[in-house]
Amino acid sequence: EVQLVESGGGLVQPGGSLRLSCAVSGFTFSDHYMDWVRQAPGKGLEWVGRSRNKANSYTTEYAASVKGRFTISRDDSKNSLYLQMNSLKTEDTAVYYCARADRWSAPFDYWGQGTLVTVSS
Amino acid sequence: EIVLTQSPGTLSLSPGERATLSCRASQSVSSSYLAWYQQKPGQAPRLLIYDASSRATGIPDRFSGSGSGTDFTLTISRLETEDFAVYYCQQYGSSPLTFGGGTKVEIK
Repeated sequence: EVQLVESGGGLVQPGGSLRLSCAVSGFTFSDHYMDWVRQAPGKGLEWVGRSRNKANSYTTEYAASVKGRFTISRDDSKNSLYLQMNSLKTEDTAVYYCARADRWSAPFDYWGQGTLVTVSS
Repeated sequence: EIVLTQSPGTLSLSPGERATLSCRASQSVSSSYLAWYQQKPGQAPRLLIYDASSRATGIPDRFSGSGSGTDFTLTISRLETEDFAVYYCQQYGSSPLTFGGGTKVEIK
């Protein structure tokens, strides 16, 4: 059974940092693209960024709103995806989901349950 | 960036009725790389339709997708009580990946 489980959310002050994790199981992690998608309270979905698979050298891509502040990484030995968030702003407050895609041009077929990040003083 | 505009914002219907949701793109979506997701309160989105018209695994056949280029439609032929939720379209053909703003299907 495919599972994605996020952790690491919480309350952080503006300008602070936080690292989210996504532990996966039930599939070969290195074969898949992995993304982060967020949802501000009461709002729609926003793509945050992606890590390509091993065959594509784990290269990353980011939304303009987080580029230079957020970094995606992964550890295949731990079957885990990470999102390092620095210089956090109040507008980064959201539920953060990790999601799986088979390749670049593929939909998100599995999602985690999400973890809430609140940026507030 | 491809902007996706969903309409209507809210659809009020009764169980058994047909729902038609629209997703319009600001420019052509490459190879019809468009998906539809369903989201219920407190839950993650669930993939319903991909490549504009292919049903994801386990999705009932009352859900269907159509369209190409810039105009796409999700149709629910006969609404069941469990179908009342928010629906999002997403294009995955070009970067950045983008989502529509969502359509809420509520019980009338």
